[in-house]
Amino acid sequence: DAGITQSPRHKVTETGTPVTLRCHQTENHRYMYWYRQDPGHGLRLIHYSYGVKDTDKGEVSDGYSVSRSKTEDFLLTLESATSSQTSVYFCAISVAGTRKNEQFFGPGTRLTVL
Amino acid sequence: AQTVTQSQPEMSVQEAETVTLSCTYDTSESNYYLFWYKQPPSRQMILVIRQEAYKQQNATENRFSVNFQKAAKSFSLKISDSQLGDTAMYFCAFMNTTSGTYKYIFGTGTRLKVLA
Repeated sequence: DAGITQSPRHKVTETGTPVTLRCHQTENHRYMYWYRQDPGHGLRLIHYSYGVKDTDKGEVSDGYSVSRSKTEDFLLTLESATSSQTSVYFCAISVAGTRKNEQFFGPGTRLTVL
Repeated sequence: AQTVTQSQPEMSVQEAETVTLSCTYDTSESNYYLFWYKQPPSRQMILVIRQEAYKQQNATENRFSVNFQKAAKSFSLKISDSQLGDTAMYFCAFMNTTSGTYKYIFGTGTRLKVLA
């Protein structure tokens, strides 16, 4: 599993509250990603990071921000959660080069916004 | 922009039979990778097989093989001797190697049920 953990694993929150999801890796990989998974949409990229303090937007970045202050942690923040952000969120790392660009995924976080 | 299309939302197959899942993609790039991921009910994403676009030979991994047709931009997954443990969502994914970001684009998935 490339040493990827996500916290929390489940969260229920109310509309308008801030939420932060954490992704932690233990193997010093440079590239990290946040996806959301919704029925009928597959996995869609929210934000990604290519190094400490280096981040960029994915295809569904509105309403989300990220931070990466150290290699091992990649945080996803919903500044003011909305019901449309109810989803399963996956963190992934890319082992570019050595493993032919394979991405390894964390176990996912199920977020419900009431 | 690249896109990945999986046109079969759901499929079923009898145990021990063979099933093929379809995936098509659109890109103007020549260097890329294609992947099939499996997501069982546990929700964990598991890599099934990968294909480098520059390789003409189709990838195989035990009971899993692909039919990669680069000109047709098609990348289907064949599962032979289907087992109950193959029941899962299957996602096709595309990665452009020239961008340097290693971002994936996923299809919408095919839910496969293996029947006893």
